[in-house]
Amino acid sequence: EVQLLESGGDLVQPGGSLRLSCAASGFTFSTYAMSWVRQAPGKGLEWVSTISGSGGNTFYAESVEGRFTISRDNSKNTLYLQMNSLRVEDTAVYYCANSYSSSWYEFWGQGTLVTVSS
Amino acid sequence: IVMTQSPDSLAVSLGERATINCKSSQSLLYSSNNNNYLAWYQQKPGQPPKLLIYWASTRDSGVPDRFSGSGSGSDFTLTISSLQAEDVAVYYCQQYYTNFRRTFGQGTKVELK
Repeated sequence: EVQLLESGGDLVQPGGSLRLSCAASGFTFSTYAMSWVRQAPGKGLEWVSTISGSGGNTFYAESVEGRFTISRDNSKNTLYLQMNSLRVEDTAVYYCANSYSSSWYEFWGQGTLVTVSS
Repeated sequence: IVMTQSPDSLAVSLGERATINCKSSQSLLYSSNNNNYLAWYQQKPGQPPKLLIYWASTRDSGVPDRFSGSGSGSDFTLTISSLQAEDVAVYYCQQYYTNFRRTFGQGTKVELK
């Protein structure tokens, strides 16, 4: 059974930093691209970032480019998102999701809430 | 690529048909394999999205056959042939034509009339 379990969400002040994690199981982690998708309260889905299976290629939405860094540890089956210079508008539930190559998202985690507020 | 869904919300009676439209700002049809790079997801309150359909019309494993996807190029439709109470949710279309850089429609909320 595929499982994606996010953690690390918290309340943080504007300008602060946070690192999210996503622990994966039930599939061959290194063969799947992994992504972060966020959902602001009451809003729709917004793609944030994707990393290829090997970790050699990374992609970011313009809204987070230069502030967020996606990474993965295939030996630990874990995905990360380092978020720096956080803004109020980064407040959202952050989901991790897997996809085989550049395709649809097969499975999603339950999400972790990031709140940026003073 | 900008994805635009219509309507933003709709109310449907139990057993009736629900139709959701999705339009992309450019074609999602890849000529080399004749596939449309479009997926549909269902999100129920308090839950993560769930994959329903990929390649515009292929149902994911376990998805009831009352859900169907159609369309090609830039215009797509998700149809629920006979709405059930458990289908109340927000539905999103998503393109995966651009390598790893996906975009979603704004969502369509389906409610019971």
